[in-house]
Amino acid sequence: AQTVTQSQPEMSVQEAETVTLSCTYDTSENNYYLFWYKQPPSRQMILVIRQEAYKQQNATENRFSVNFQKAAKSFSLKISDSQLGDTAMYFCALFDFGNEKLTFGTGTRLTIIP
Amino acid sequence: EAQVTQNPRYLITVTGKKLTVTCSQNMNHEYMSWYRQDPGLGLRQIYYSMNVEVTDKGDVPEGYKVSRKEKRNFPLILESPSPNQTSLYFCASSFGRANYGYTFGSGTRLTVV
Repeated sequence: AQTVTQSQPEMSVQEAETVTLSCTYDTSENNYYLFWYKQPPSRQMILVIRQEAYKQQNATENRFSVNFQKAAKSFSLKISDSQLGDTAMYFCALFDFGNEKLTFGTGTRLTIIP
Repeated sequence: EAQVTQNPRYLITVTGKKLTVTCSQNMNHEYMSWYRQDPGLGLRQIYYSMNVEVTDKGDVPEGYKVSRKEKRNFPLILESPSPNQTSLYFCASSFGRANYGYTFGSGTRLTVV
């Protein structure tokens, strides 16, 4: 069975600093996809970034980037120049073709301090 | 605007009173799914549907029913709600399979007393 682990329940960082959220996963498949979702206080789930496992290049979206370490099964999210609007719960998620679903981690609550 | 619409946004009900949470998407997505979100547990899949008239159980299907009679709609039915079904529920849809990621509805906060 696939699993996703987020070991940091809560984090906080000063505005404009850089923060890294950790995620590890397990799957027996070779072809899979990894995601980071953001859930602000509005509770809307917003896709932040997507990584295809067969691509070695790390995905980036503006201030958001990932460090994808396939051998270690690690998928961390880096937020640069953090802003107050980045305050949210962040979920790491995995999709593989052996299971018809996204499997989510338990989330990291990130607070950006003014 | 491309979106997944869930209703209601908030619902308080009593134990045993049947209820339906509606979900509709306007993106012609084949894949739809229901999740529940609980503190410390993340999001867990309840049911999913690959296409019209094709549904299957997720990780926590007990106490729930779904149907997919039309491509755009995927309602979640609680025949006899219990307090342990108090949760935040999300409907989601995807083009093709979930490797593209989901588009989520805005969530339904359900309280069963």
